[in-house]
Amino acid sequence: EPEVTQTPSHQVTQMGQEVILRCVPISNHLYFYWYRQILGQKVEFLVSFYNNEISEKSEIFDDQFSVERPDGSNFTLKIRSTKLEDSAMYFCASMMTGSPYGYTFGSGTRLTVV
Amino acid sequence: GEDVEQSLFLSVREGDSSVINCTYTDSSSTYLYWYKQEPGAGLQLLTYIFSNMDMKQDQRLTVLLNKKDKHLSLRIADTQTGDSAIYFCAETSNAGNNRKLIWGLGTSLAVNP
Repeated sequence: EPEVTQTPSHQVTQMGQEVILRCVPISNHLYFYWYRQILGQKVEFLVSFYNNEISEKSEIFDDQFSVERPDGSNFTLKIRSTKLEDSAMYFCASMMTGSPYGYTFGSGTRLTVV
Repeated sequence: GEDVEQSLFLSVREGDSSVINCTYTDSSSTYLYWYKQEPGAGLQLLTYIFSNMDMKQDQRLTVLLNKKDKHLSLRIADTQTGDSAIYFCAETSNAGNNRKLIWGLGTSLAVNP
């Protein structure tokens, strides 16, 4: 069964450093998403991406965040200058066009900012 | 803004039925989902229901939707120890293809032998 692959599974970084979280969505999917889950809190929408551009972003997704689909297969989330409060599990997801079946999620990257 | 609420914990005995409840506020919800998360794993779609349906059954899973009360439930028949996980209720906040999901906090289901 096709799956969404995220790397790394766990990343530890120092406050102020840049991190790039990587995702390989399912190949025939056209919509891509990043969500995050801070420990003990709800899963939160960060950004959606379609047709090589951001289609929607949340208030969380400020100038410190950016997304890219550099080569038609990878989908990356960059945090420019990490803060302690960026520590969370980050989930990538992809979806087929107009599918009611929801997303396919990756296993997540646990980001720890120290 | 939109919100989704769930009870946090549920404990059942193996073989019993589990019922996990969820309430939501968005009256324009189109699809409502149940996702399962096992320890260390991602978010696995279990089932979904379209907002014009009242009920959906899929093997051991039954989803009930009361649109008037904005209440969604997931019933797992003959619950097994392998069903122990966190179950998330989620709804789409808009009808377009973008389909941003709004999530509940998750219900931790413990199945005791």
